[in-house]
Amino acid sequence: DVKVTQSSRYLVKRTGEKVFLECVQDMDHENMFWYRQDPGLGLRLIYFSYDVKMKEKGDIPEGYSVSREKKERFSLILESASTNQTSMYLCASRSRDTDYSPLHFGNGTRLTVT
Amino acid sequence: GDSVTQMEGPVTLSEEAFLTINCTYTATGYPSLFWYVQYPGEGLQLLLKATKADDKGSNKGFEATYRKETTSFHLEKGSVQVSDSAVYFCALSDRGLTGGFKTIFGAGTRLFVKA
Repeated sequence: DVKVTQSSRYLVKRTGEKVFLECVQDMDHENMFWYRQDPGLGLRLIYFSYDVKMKEKGDIPEGYSVSREKKERFSLILESASTNQTSMYLCASRSRDTDYSPLHFGNGTRLTVT
Repeated sequence: GDSVTQMEGPVTLSEEAFLTINCTYTATGYPSLFWYVQYPGEGLQLLLKATKADDKGSNKGFEATYRKETTSFHLEKGSVQVSDSAVYFCALSDRGLTGGFKTIFGAGTRLFVKA
């Protein structure tokens, strides 16, 4: 079974801190994604990557960056955390760069910025 | 850009009632369409999908038909159970600017089923 693991389930950070959210998948998937989930807004795509060192902005990339140095790992970086980045962050991966293969999600990281 | 619009919730039904959750989309290409479900305390998982016009996806008694003419992918179930209580997300997958495929989600619809 596909396993997508996010390093932290809960995280509390202070405004202005640099924050790293880590995601690892164990099924050799080419595609990886970062979303944030907020009540009433659903899942919004922050960044995605369809190959090592490749990345593309999603719908809400402002305030975020990503790193994909190895195929299995996709990191989301908040350069200077702000309170409006308090949210649930979901990582996902997909096996092929087609439009019909489903996403496999991690359990999420709930980030609170105070 | 691409977008997905689904009916606002929450939707509250009695057990064995008929369920419809509406979903419409806009896309620049010819996307694949999906329904994902998030049960309480769990991660999102795929419920069903359809990859071309007039395809019907089905799973666990749920169905949705890809309607290109109305850009819709409505979710239906003939008789809901308490265990169907969850948040349902409509989604599409389309090609991004650099060639990779991205998946865009709707806002989600929370379903409560009463015994």
